[in-house]
Amino acid sequence: AQKVTQAQTEISVVEKEDVTLDCVYETRDTTYYLFWYKQPPSGELVFLIRRNSFDEQNEISGRYSWNFQKSTSSFNFTITASQVVDSAVYFCAPSHPGRRALTFGSGTRLQVQP
Amino acid sequence: EADIYQTPRYLVIGTGKKITLECSQTMGHDKMYWYQQDPGMELHLIHYSYGVNSTEKGDLSSESTVSRIRTEHFPLTLESARPSHTSQYLCASTTGEGGYNEQFFGPGTRLTVL
Repeated sequence: AQKVTQAQTEISVVEKEDVTLDCVYETRDTTYYLFWYKQPPSGELVFLIRRNSFDEQNEISGRYSWNFQKSTSSFNFTITASQVVDSAVYFCAPSHPGRRALTFGSGTRLQVQP
Repeated sequence: EADIYQTPRYLVIGTGKKITLECSQTMGHDKMYWYQQDPGMELHLIHYSYGVNSTEKGDLSSESTVSRIRTEHFPLTLESARPSHTSQYLCASTTGEGGYNEQFFGPGTRLTVL
């Protein structure tokens, strides 16, 4: 059985602080994919990144960075110098080859105060 | 930007009414999905389509039905709405290998049944 856990329900930071969102995915499968999506107050989900289970190289894109460690089943997402526009709900969503759909974590609501 | 549309964005109706939530995409994607999002933020798959005339129920049981007569169109129907159907409904689409490609989401329909 697979289990995705986003233990942080809500995080509040002040603008310009760095913030890390945690995601733990437990599975016996060796090949899988991990997605991060952002859901701003407008409601639509926006794709941020996909990582493959066999690629543990960290990735940086502007103020965003992702740290994937297969040994600990963690796929964490860091926002550097947070901004008010980063306020949203962030979902970690694993998937497997041939699977029909994503499985979403419970989400972490990030509030960035000015 | 993803070209996937949902109407209406907001709907408030009385118990017992029949409603159809519209979803259309202009990307030619073969796979389309309906997710239901609880107030507590989790998303659950309720319907899935591999292509025209192909639909399946998702992981979460739903009294709604869907149809896929055209590639671009995937409407969801509730024959008799009840307060328990109050939720946000998100439509998504993708193409390619199941599980690998990101899904593109519409803006969602927030349904309230009185």
